[in-house]
Amino acid sequence: SQTIHQWPATLVQPVGSPLSLECTVEGTSNPNLYWYRQAAGRGLQLLFYSVGIGQISSEVPQNLSASRPQDRQFILSSKKLLLSDSGFYLCAWRGKPGQGEEKLFFGSGTQLSVL
Amino acid sequence: GEDVEQSLFLSVREGDSSVINCTYTDSSSTYLYWYKQEPGAGLQLLTYIFSNMDMKQDQRLTVLLNKKDKHLSLRIADTQTGDSAIYFCAESLDGSARQLTFGSGTQLTVLP
Repeated sequence: SQTIHQWPATLVQPVGSPLSLECTVEGTSNPNLYWYRQAAGRGLQLLFYSVGIGQISSEVPQNLSASRPQDRQFILSSKKLLLSDSGFYLCAWRGKPGQGEEKLFFGSGTQLSVL
Repeated sequence: GEDVEQSLFLSVREGDSSVINCTYTDSSSTYLYWYKQEPGAGLQLLTYIFSNMDMKQDQRLTVLLNKKDKHLSLRIADTQTGDSAIYFCAESLDGSARQLTFGSGTQLTVLP
């Protein structure tokens, strides 16, 4: 069965420090991968998505970047965190169209607090 | 652009039915979803419905879709304390996650 791992679960970082959140998927190959952010009291905002290794699309201009060095690994990064980067970050995966996997599966999330 | 709206809070007594409502603006939506988020956890897909369906039932969950009014509801029968969570409505134009728009979530509190 497919599983998705995301870590760390919580993170407290000072303003200006770097960030690296990692997400890995097991049990599937060539998934579409996504990073979402959930700000307090708001819905999810899609930040990045990737359809393959090295292929990253950004949905909103921001202080963050994403990379996909391996098929089932997706990394969210920042060189210098801002206060506004605080939030709950969720990684998700989905199968390719036509594979019958329309559902989006989420990791357990990372609560990031920038102080 | 697309917009999905939900009320922020709902409280029910244990054993009662819960009904969480959602409205969306884009009549082109083809897939409508309900996700559950428990404290400190990621989102879990509960159920989804295609726009050509009016109702879908899955054990204690019933999803009703009124396409004319662009209204989606999730009914939880015999609500339990373990059902306390945030419930997100989401819609997608084409089933792709890129086109997925989430509501702000409804905090369901189940009282003993």
